[in-house]
Amino acid sequence: SQTIHQWPATLVQPVGSPLSLECTVEGTSNPNLYWYRQAAGRGLQLLFYSVGIGQISSEVPQNLSASRPQDRQFILSSKKLLLSDSGFYLCACLSRVNEQYFGPGTRLTVT
Amino acid sequence: AQKVTQAQTEISVVEKEDVTLDCVYETRDTTYYLFWYKQPPSGELVFLIRRNSFDEQNEISGRYSWNFQKSTSSFNFTITASQVVDSAVYFCALSGYNDYKLSFGAGTTVTVRA
Repeated sequence: SQTIHQWPATLVQPVGSPLSLECTVEGTSNPNLYWYRQAAGRGLQLLFYSVGIGQISSEVPQNLSASRPQDRQFILSSKKLLLSDSGFYLCACLSRVNEQYFGPGTRLTVT
Repeated sequence: AQKVTQAQTEISVVEKEDVTLDCVYETRDTTYYLFWYKQPPSGELVFLIRRNSFDEQNEISGRYSWNFQKSTSSFNFTITASQVVDSAVYFCALSGYNDYKLSFGAGTTVTVRA
């Protein structure tokens, strides 16, 4: 079974600073990968998904971007953070039996 | 567009009581998947179950059971004989049959008191 790693676990960044969150997956190859965000007290929203290297689909227009430079690496970035970017960011991977499993998440606070 | 509604924001029960979480969904797809996830205080989402839209058979796993009724677009989740460790936020989710992009409900916070 696959293992999903995310780092950092927590991050406090000032408004206007750049962002880079990383997600890596072990135990599988060519997985579908997803970025979700959970704002405080709210449900989860799909931000990006990727079916392969260099293939990114954006679900919500926003201040963020995603990249997939390697098969099992998925990166979430921003050039200039906004206060509204604060939240809990979760990376997910689609298993071979088409179930989505989530990583431990990164808690981002923009100050 | 897909939509998942979890009308119950919070539920508080005493240990050993049963608790049922409601989930109603909307989709134009004829085939789809339904899911339940648990989010304990640590924050990580824990997969509980996936259901295909063409399989309406109810399922039981230990103290957990799920009731899928396509006629009412509902996929309810029951915890029998609740325990303190069941305290968490529970999310219902829906995805297309081919894209697996999850649409989540707002979640139900379950608190089980000793």
